[in-house]
Amino acid sequence: GENVEQHPSTLSVQEGDSAVIKCTYSDSASNYFPWYKQELGKGPQLIIDIRSNVGEKKDQRIAVTLNKTAKHFSLHITETQPEDSAVYFCAANPSGGSNYKLTFGKGTLLTVNP
Amino acid sequence: DGGITQSPKYLFRKEGQNVTLSCEQNLNHDAMYWYRQDPGQGLRLIYYSQIVNDFQKGDIAEGYSVSREKKESFPLTVTSAQKNPTAFYLCASSIGLAGGLGDTQYFGPGTRLTVL
Repeated sequence: GENVEQHPSTLSVQEGDSAVIKCTYSDSASNYFPWYKQELGKGPQLIIDIRSNVGEKKDQRIAVTLNKTAKHFSLHITETQPEDSAVYFCAANPSGGSNYKLTFGKGTLLTVNP
Repeated sequence: DGGITQSPKYLFRKEGQNVTLSCEQNLNHDAMYWYRQDPGQGLRLIYYSQIVNDFQKGDIAEGYSVSREKKESFPLTVTSAQKNPTAFYLCASSIGLAGGLGDTQYFGPGTRLTVL
């Protein structure tokens, strides 16, 4: 089955710096890669996603890049703010084309220091 | 106001008791999911349902049961057979088959279950 590895497990940055979180996946047929942000005690919220027909997608301060050959994708947050502090999860859909299953990474705790 | 609701927010259970967690959505989504979240473990899929009256086991279904009698509801029962039930439980939904490949899952606020 699909295996998603996420690094680092914790990341601490100064306000205004950039943060990068990386994920690798094992199933070459995967074609959908969402990123979720989870604040303490709440459910995850989708912040950005990318599909295998594009290499990069940007939404204001957040961007995701995808390298299908290397089977990895990354989340980039620029100009970080204290409210960006949360746990971030990446995910991939196994068995390519299955819209009903996602395999999640173990999460990255991002701390933005003011 | 559309969304996914889960109740209760906190739930305490004595060992040996079954307990049912509620999940309701008014997004008109066909697919619904249950995940379990433990510290440092990410989210693990318990059960999922693509359509009413149909559901499949996920990666960690042992000790859990579900039903899908209505499109908007997908309750999860944690049975006494679940050996380590203390966890944060998350329900999600997505458009489903009509959404095409890899459609977005939206999560509820979660239920924290503690076994005493």
